[in-house]
This record gives sequence, C-alpha cells and structure tokens, in this order.
Amino acid sequence: KQEVTQIPAALSVPEGENLVLNCSFTDSAIYNLQWFRQDPGKGLTSLLLIQSSQREQTSGRLNASLDKSSGRSTLYIAASQPGDSATYLCAATGNQFYFGTGTSLTVIP
Amino acid sequence: NAGVMQNPRHLVRRRGQEARLRCSPMKGHSHVYWYRQLPEEGLKFMVYLQKENIIDESGMPKERFSAEFPKEGPSILRIQQVVRGDSAAYFCASSPGTYSYNEQFFGPGTRLTVL
Repeated sequence: KQEVTQIPAALSVPEGENLVLNCSFTDSAIYNLQWFRQDPGKGLTSLLLIQSSQREQTSGRLNASLDKSSGRSTLYIAASQPGDSATYLCAATGNQFYFGTGTSLTVIP
Repeated sequence: NAGVMQNPRHLVRRRGQEARLRCSPMKGHSHVYWYRQLPEEGLKFMVYLQKENIIDESGMPKERFSAEFPKEGPSILRIQQVVRGDSAAYFCASSPGTYSYNEQFFGPGTRLTVL
C-alpha cells in the first residue's frame, strides 16, 4: 500500500525567504503527483500536477520536481509572501489517490 | 466555468440521523471522487464514481455509507445512522477523465458535525 509522507509537518519562515517542502512516497509506480494548497476551513486548490514521465513543473513562484526512482517530490516556493501561509499537501496517484498529511507553512511578515 | 460545488457547507446531525452530502462536478467532468478528512488527519480516499457507476469503493466503510452519481443531478454521499466518529470534512473532487492522467479539482467541502 502506498504511503505518502511530508516533512516537515510545520514550517515558519520570514517573508522573502525561499523554501522547499518535501514529499516522499513508498511505491514508485505512480501515474502522477499533484501538489495542493489548503487554507483553514477551506477546500483544496490544485497548484501543480507532474505526470510520471515529467521531472518538474513550474507555475509562477512555484516549482515542483519529481524523482520517481527515489520516491520523492519537492515543492520549491521562491520569495515567500504572507499570503503563501497555508497547508500544502502532496498526493500520489497510483491505483488510488494517496495524500500526505501536509506541511503547515507560516510566512512571517 | 463554475468550480466543483458542494452543499451543504456545514451539516449538523444528531447520532442516529442520516446525512446527505451533495456534489456537483465541474461542467464537462464525468468522474467524481469523495474524500474524508478527519480532525488532525490527512485526506483519505473513499469512493470513485462515474455517471451511474461505482468504479472503486475500496475506501468506503462497509456499513452505513453509500454513494451514487446518477445520470442526472449531483453525486450524493449518504451516511446512515451517523455516529460521533463520522464528524469530519468531506470533500468531493472531479476530473474530466480518469484520475490516472487528469488533474482533480476539489470542492470547498462539507463539514459534518455529529452531536
């Protein structure tokens, strides 16, 4: 069974700092990996989707990479802003959709 | 193009009552997924449906829970005889095709509280 782990569980950084969120998965047989953002009491907003044949995807200040062989994905956020404060979830798609438990990010003004 | 709609946004039920959660997928999406997020836990897959078909219900509890996605109308997640442990946020997502290759779009969720 696929297990998805996100480290750290919580992260606090000053505004303007670049940061990396980590996601690891135990079964490399995935179709894709998706990163989401969840604000308190809200639903999930899709950030980036990386197909299994791809290495990375970029959207604005966000860059996500995927290394299937090592079972890892990273989400890089450049020049962090207070508005980036949220919980970030990764999800690996295999025979089901498996979520990590998330990294709670706080960007301090 | 409206996003995934869920209603109600908040639902309070007493133990033993029934809860009905509705999900309208994005226009053009025929694949619907339900997830549950328990307090302090991650999102867990429950069920995957296409119109009039349950594709994968391996994440659904064996009793009291059922889901449908009729030809017309929203997808319904039904919980019979609710218990306190059912209190959670229930999220619906939709995609235009199978999740193997398609991005999933999530609704705002229904927060169920069982008294």
